[in-house]
Amino acid sequence: DQQVKQNSPSLSVQEGRISILNCDYTNSMFDYFLWYKKYPAEGPTFLISISSIKDKNEDGRFTVFLNKSAKHLSLHIVPSQPGDSAVYFCAASARAYGNKLVFGAGTILRVKS
Amino acid sequence: DTEVTQTPKHLVMGMTNKKSLKCEQHMGHRAMYWYKQKAKKPPELMFVYSYEKLSINESVPSRFSPECPNSSLLNLHLHALQPEDSALYLCASSQGEGRQWDYGYTFGSGTRLTVV
Repeated sequence: DQQVKQNSPSLSVQEGRISILNCDYTNSMFDYFLWYKKYPAEGPTFLISISSIKDKNEDGRFTVFLNKSAKHLSLHIVPSQPGDSAVYFCAASARAYGNKLVFGAGTILRVKS
Repeated sequence: DTEVTQTPKHLVMGMTNKKSLKCEQHMGHRAMYWYKQKAKKPPELMFVYSYEKLSINESVPSRFSPECPNSSLLNLHLHALQPEDSALYLCASSQGEGRQWDYGYTFGSGTRLTVV
């Protein structure tokens, strides 16, 4: 049973437009969420995170929104750049699980110039 | 130094071989992790070491044996693997025990393992 789901395997966006990547979770104990970006032949790199006490966190071009009632979060990238093309993983953790992260399957983002 | 270094980058081994994967970090992180990632799947947690002690083993088969010789090093010893164990093995580290999530994990680039 996948507790963190990214239902869109891929997304294609024009340079300069907004990219919206979505993530759903099923475990209501999750209280911290993170987004990672992964280029081929590299490990995932941390992008942005959000605690369940917030509904929005912003860092430059990246904004993460959390809707706890819907158990849904999204990552917005504005404006999208070709260098943003990568696999994006959503991850979640729960205080009860210590420092264990549960990852979604990832979404491949392609930004076209 | 803000990196997690994994060696080797690629490894091909037979089912009767014994090999080891190595992971090193010098960021003062006290938690270290092994994840396994199959193609088109999310990374799956295998082991967590916290302050050099094994704190989580996600029911990993005994043919995978982790070792944490000191706070900077993490090894994964492999023996009698099966072809289905072929995957990308990722090492990661994070600050301290419990959750300090300001910057999440720092991942290495991984070891691409092929079992023949």
